[in-house]
Amino acid sequence: SAVISQKPSRDICQRGTSLTIQCQVDSQVTMMFWYRQQPGQSLTLIATANQGSEATYESGFVIDKFPISRPNLTFSTLTVSNMSPEDSSIYLCSVGRDRDGYTFGSGTRLTVV
Amino acid sequence: GDSVTQMEGPVTLSEEAFLTINCTYTATGYPSLFWYVQYPGEGLQLLLKATKADDKGSNKGFEATYRKETTSFHLEKGSVQVSDSAVYFCALLTYYTGANSKLTFGKGITLSVRP
Repeated sequence: SAVISQKPSRDICQRGTSLTIQCQVDSQVTMMFWYRQQPGQSLTLIATANQGSEATYESGFVIDKFPISRPNLTFSTLTVSNMSPEDSSIYLCSVGRDRDGYTFGSGTRLTVV
Repeated sequence: GDSVTQMEGPVTLSEEAFLTINCTYTATGYPSLFWYVQYPGEGLQLLLKATKADDKGSNKGFEATYRKETTSFHLEKGSVQVSDSAVYFCALLTYYTGANSKLTFGKGITLSVRP
């Protein structure tokens, strides 16, 4: 299965600022996914990122708040913009081989103060 | 829409006890089903999977059988260990708009195993 390197692993940010999270995969993949895991909650899909096209956002998530880049088949970034304490969560990137299961990065633990 | 329902937690067991964690799903078509585990302070790991009805996924002593008639994928282990303490997520994979796919998670359940 793919190996994913995600960074930063954690950060504490001031409200109103932005944080960009990077996700590097050791092999080329068509689709990459970004999830949010709020404290004590399950994982919620933010968006799906295909190389060379606009990301597809799930209901409740918008590009202005969570802009995503996908410049090539092994890399993606998620930016959390104009942060508030409600954005404090773990953010995870994921790649899939469909029925073989999806692989997740180790996550970015974000605290907004 | 697609959804996954897990039993309410947390669950606390003594070492060597039998474990069952219930999971039911709602989906159109023929989803694949997964159990993921998140150990304290770590990322999400795939524990086991089943891709069609009556398939049994197994790994590390854990088993789950894909039951289409009851739309269930319950996780079981005959004898839990302290090292099994973690959060367990049931998930289903469905396809939409051609080749695109989406993984939907249940709420997760925390398992604590006492020595």
